[in-house]
Amino acid sequence: EVQLVESGGGLVQPGGSLRLSCAASGFTFSDHYMDWVRQAPGKGLEWVGRTRKKANSYTTEYAASVKGRFTISRDDSKNSLYLQMNSLKTEDTAVYYCARVDHSSGYSFDYWGQGTLVTVSS
Amino acid sequence: DIQMTQSPSSLSASVGDRVTITCRASQGIRNDLGWYQQKPGKAPKRLIYAASSFQSGVPSRFSGSGSGTEFTLTISSLQPEDFATYYCLQHNSYPLTFGGGTKVEIK
Repeated sequence: EVQLVESGGGLVQPGGSLRLSCAASGFTFSDHYMDWVRQAPGKGLEWVGRTRKKANSYTTEYAASVKGRFTISRDDSKNSLYLQMNSLKTEDTAVYYCARVDHSSGYSFDYWGQGTLVTVSS
Repeated sequence: DIQMTQSPSSLSASVGDRVTITCRASQGIRNDLGWYQQKPGKAPKRLIYAASSFQSGVPSRFSGSGSGTEFTLTISSLQPEDFATYYCLQHNSYPLTFGGGTKVEIK
């Protein structure tokens, strides 16, 4: 069974940093691109960014709203995905989901984690 | 960036009704579109991929159609468990973008 479990959320002050993790199991993690998606309270879904797999040199893509502040990385040996968030702003307050990219049936997301809440507030 | 305009933003319907939700892309995205259902406090769940392909395990009352710039999600006979918010997602080009969502409520 595919499982994605996020952790690391919490309360942080504006300008601060936080690192989120996503532990994957039930599939060959190294075979998949992985993404982060967020959802501000009461709002819609917003794509944050992507890390490709080793065969694609682990290259990344980011939304303009987080580029230069957030960094996505992965450790295939630990089946883990990370989101390093720096220079946090109040507008970064959201539930952050990790999502598996489905290569076999279009590059959309077939599995999501349960999410972890990040609150940026003084 | 590709803008995804989803309509309506909300609707009220009764059990058994046929419901149609539309997403319009600001430029052609072939069939690089998925539909997701989200219930309060839960992660989104994929219903349709590649615009019209059925996700395994999803009831057959959900169907998708369209290509290019116009896409539709149809629920043929609304069930009590279908009351939720629905989103489209384009994955044709970066940044990936979601529609604004359609909240389906009980009439």
